[in-house]
Amino acid sequence: EAAVTQSPRNKVAVTGGKVTLSCNQTNNHNNMYWYRQDTGHGLRLIHYSYGAGSTEKGDIPDGYKASRPSQENFSLILELATPSQTSVYFCASGEGGPPTGQLYFGEGSKLTVL
Amino acid sequence: GDSVTQTEGLVTLTEGLPVMLNCTYQSTYSPFLFWYVQHLNEAPKLLLKSFTDNKRPEHQGFHATLHKSSSSFHLQKSSAQLSDSALYYCASNSGGSNAKLTFGKGTKLSVKS
Repeated sequence: EAAVTQSPRNKVAVTGGKVTLSCNQTNNHNNMYWYRQDTGHGLRLIHYSYGAGSTEKGDIPDGYKASRPSQENFSLILELATPSQTSVYFCASGEGGPPTGQLYFGEGSKLTVL
Repeated sequence: GDSVTQTEGLVTLTEGLPVMLNCTYQSTYSPFLFWYVQHLNEAPKLLLKSFTDNKRPEHQGFHATLHKSSSSFHLQKSSAQLSDSALYYCASNSGGSNAKLTFGKGTKLSVKS
């Protein structure tokens, strides 16, 4: 079974503060992803990566940075957190590319920005 | 870019009745389509995916048929169970070498006894 772990699972931050969400996968997948989940919006892609050292912008990258220092780790960075970034964030890994396309998700990180 | 549309935000059914959740897509290429399911307080996980050879994927009683003529990949099940209550996402892989997976807004299925 694929294993993707996220930390922290819950985080409360203040407006203007820096937040780092971390993700580790033990599947040796090349691709990793960060999504946010909001009621009425579903899962929206923030950033993704094809491998160590690469990051790509997803559909809603503004206000977020990403870092992929190794095959196993992919971080999402909020340099100046805002209340609109309050959400549940999911990391995922996948072999990528069609026709596979299956993603394995972590358990999610709930972020509250006050 | 690609887009996936799920028209129902909430579907409420009585146990034993058939399920149909709608999904339509727009894509420049011929995408691969997926259904993911997310139970309460759990991570999303793959339910089923389209095949390249027009076979109908099935899993846990659910099935979906890719209709390229109507750009649809509706999820169906003949008889709903209480345990089917969950959030269902349709997703599209844009094809080519791009690994990006685009999700719809999700449909919450609530099955009552």
